[in-house]
Amino acid sequence: NAGVTQTPKFQVLKTGQSMTLQCAQDMNHNSMYWYRQDPGMGLRLIYYSASEGTTDKGEVPNGYNVSRLNKREFSLRLESAAPSQTSVYFCASQGIAAGGPWTDTQYFGPGTRLTVL
Amino acid sequence: KQEVTQIPAALSVPEGENLVLNCSFTDSAIYNLQWFRQDPGKGLTSLLLIQSSQREQTSGRLNASLDKSSGRSTLYIAASQPGDSATYLCAVRLQGAQKLVFGQGTRLTINP
Repeated sequence: NAGVTQTPKFQVLKTGQSMTLQCAQDMNHNSMYWYRQDPGMGLRLIYYSASEGTTDKGEVPNGYNVSRLNKREFSLRLESAAPSQTSVYFCASQGIAAGGPWTDTQYFGPGTRLTVL
Repeated sequence: KQEVTQIPAALSVPEGENLVLNCSFTDSAIYNLQWFRQDPGKGLTSLLLIQSSQREQTSGRLNASLDKSSGRSTLYIAASQPGDSATYLCAVRLQGAQKLVFGQGTRLTINP
């Protein structure tokens, strides 16, 4: 199992450009999440999807949109990037993983490092 | 609103010492609490998960405790090693919620 995968790993955008961050999981989890991590701010939830076909706002949703394409994939879109969106973005899924010891734990992808100039 | 605080923000200790990382939360109506490890430039890895009905969980040299009434959790690391150097984050899931609320983390450095 690959777990949670994210693409791209790095991205540089100019202010006003748009892009989509891709996330996929192969653990058959229902719930998926997008976080951003900034120095001194910890991880903040942007959007989440409790199941296929549903999405909900998290703590910092402004400037972002999401799509739960199917059970495996959850994408995050920046329509008009701003320097304040420079951050590291993490996708996660929640549930049981083969060989995992606990239920309801979150499994994280490796992150996308985004810089907006 | 649930708030999670981790103190200290950074900790440096010599190899071999036992150490304790602290996590406090404001709302005691939690479903579970997790401790994660994050290595530089990497994602988060779950270390221990304590359900609200439990008092502690152990995995190898790690032991996490939970005291809901006081809104506190501790992560105890025994016989620390340089490989334990990382940022440790705690996260709380409230009852009836799908979301985790994270602390800002403690950056741990173990000096050889």
